[in-house]
Amino acid sequence: SAVISQKPSRDICQRGTSLTIQCQVDSQVTMMFWYRQQPGQSLTLIATANQGSEATYESGFVIDKFPISRPNLTFSTLTVSNMSPEDSSIYLCSARGQLTGELFFGEGSRLTVL
Amino acid sequence: QQPVQSPQAVILREGEDAVINCSSSKALYSVHWYRQKHGEAPVFLMILLKGGEQKGHDKISASFNEKKQQSSLYLTASQLSYSGTYFCGTEKTSYDKVIFGPGTSLSVIP
Repeated sequence: SAVISQKPSRDICQRGTSLTIQCQVDSQVTMMFWYRQQPGQSLTLIATANQGSEATYESGFVIDKFPISRPNLTFSTLTVSNMSPEDSSIYLCSARGQLTGELFFGEGSRLTVL
Repeated sequence: QQPVQSPQAVILREGEDAVINCSSSKALYSVHWYRQKHGEAPVFLMILLKGGEQKGHDKISASFNEKKQQSSLYLTASQLSYSGTYFCGTEKTSYDKVIFGPGTSLSVIP
């Protein structure tokens, strides 16, 4: 199994600012993903973080707004840029296990934008 | 494309059984099932890779009908600890992104 450490766990941000969320996995994984989850809602995939290259974004999400890096196999960052209250949400880092293919999740980063 | 889940919510008494369904309009390679408790991260239950495959995990099992692009999660003799939101996630190909359904809220009461 894999343990994912995500930070910050929560933050309150001002409109127009940017925040970077870090995700560290304690073991080798194949794929890493970033999801967003509004309270009481499903998990919406933002992008697949690709090691050493540009992330693959889902429809409705763009690199300028959500730049993602993955410099090595076990670490990734998601930046939420030029934040607005609509960006208030929980952001979840996820990684795929090498053997079983299951997804492991971090505890999430709860962002509140004022 | 997001899979469809039913029911949206279910309330059970301890010891009762429940079935949660997940279906897709696209051909699937696999179906994942996760449970998320309030304020916590989703936790993996099982993954089904082959058409007609069934898996079990304690009193929780699942089936996957590849031809119908459907999966069902079976919870038998439910316990209070089963309460939470259950999400199915689907993949179109091997080691693809996982797209989650809207979730099924399950509440087990004494």
